Amino acid sequence: DGGITQSPKYLFRKEGQNVTLSCEQNLNHDAMYWYRQDPGQGLRLIYYSQIVNDFQKGDIAEGYSVSREKKESFPLTVTSAQKNPTAFYLCASSIGQASYEQYFGPGTRLTVT
Amino acid sequence: GQQVMQIPQYQHVQEGEDFTTYCNSSTTLSNIQWYKQRPGGHPVFLIQLVKSGEVKKQKRLTFQFGEAKKNSSLHITATQTTDVGTYFCAVPSNSGYALNFGKGTSLLVTP
Repeated sequence: DGGITQSPKYLFRKEGQNVTLSCEQNLNHDAMYWYRQDPGQGLRLIYYSQIVNDFQKGDIAEGYSVSREKKESFPLTVTSAQKNPTAFYLCASSIGQASYEQYFGPGTRLTVT
Repeated sequence: GQQVMQIPQYQHVQEGEDFTTYCNSSTTLSNIQWYKQRPGGHPVFLIQLVKSGEVKKQKRLTFQFGEAKKNSSLHITATQTTDVGTYFCAVPSNSGYALNFGKGTSLLVTP
């Protein structure tokens, strides 16, 4: 089955630790995205990548980092510099530009205490 | 990026009643997409509108794109409990490579 996988579904970390969220797709999509979702805030774009070895900051990139070494993988690192890391993180992919629909993974719920 | 305002934030209806959510932009849009997110789930693409005045239907769902391409609506006729969830509109960002999502309308349907 084609799709996007994110792991783990739930993640707990202590404050001050970096944590990496996994996102893998086998849809052969060029573009991949990371969003953060908080209650009542909708989806806010953290980073996106249109092609391997290239990525751009979204609206709330501070405290996050990404890499795109392979077409199918786009991991997100939540660093200790992120002031409010507890949130639901969604990864998505699409064929390319914003005129194409995005396919979302099941999400990772991160709790930092 | 381009901002899109979505209203209402919440809507609670009795099963069988109709429901409408609206998205408004201050700028002309090239296209608008709609997504549905069930409670505890992830957003799922519903439809994309591109043409001025476009109307598309999916069973009980009717999507409209305004003549000026600055607003859009999603109307559900005779809601069912399976319609529960949050509905988002999304528009292209200034770069054209990403989407900006509205804050969503959460629909609750009671039987």
